[in-house]
Amino acid sequence: ETGVTQSPTHLIKTRGQQVTLRCSSQSGHNTVSWYQQALGQGPQFIFQYYREEENGRGNFPPRFSGLQFPNYSSELNVNALELDDSALYLCASSLGGSGGKNIQYFGAGTRLSVL
Amino acid sequence: SQQGEEDPQALSIQEGENATMNCSYKTSINNLQWYRQNSGRGLVHLILIRSNEREKHSGRLRVTLDTSKKSSSLLITASRAADTASYFCATDARGTASKLTFGTGTRLQVTL
Repeated sequence: ETGVTQSPTHLIKTRGQQVTLRCSSQSGHNTVSWYQQALGQGPQFIFQYYREEENGRGNFPPRFSGLQFPNYSSELNVNALELDDSALYLCASSLGGSGGKNIQYFGAGTRLSVL
Repeated sequence: SQQGEEDPQALSIQEGENATMNCSYKTSINNLQWYRQNSGRGLVHLILIRSNEREKHSGRLRVTLDTSKKSSSLLITASRAADTASYFCATDARGTASKLTFGTGTRLQVTL
């Protein structure tokens, strides 16, 4: 167990809808990263939050947005869902400024299906 | 986009045999990590090797890193059925605000 929890576990939406995914980070971690993993592929970096500020973004459109709260939990919001957004969404927490190690602790993921 | 490729894409071995997976990447790195994923669930960190290290061991795991070739290998010795999973390398590239870039993964099947 990594101590990182994600909700919900599974979600089914239709094209054009909006979705919010949630993540509680491991105790003591101040950094949360979000990844999208399509079937049969490696995780792709969406963005990272460090102490409530966005700290890097991957090649994803603005309809992917996020928040980090004072307790370091985080949300991923996706607007105007497209069929290609169907994937496993992974949240990972880490301790920023940890001497460059950047070891990330992953939640079990949210499986999003867009119909 | 993926940072690089794992090779092979799939590997099937018998329990007790060794499994070797390779990873290639494209940019200069701070470190390289290997993660394991069971059945499309969350990833679990296995081992980290810094850019100035050439080899590292952890239990039955041995990782090598060749920065001149931009490649790494993961060796699992005396494999067990419980090692069946997908294995990913992930690089922490310099100047990228601590994002991890993952490869495409190797699916390892260990049979009894």
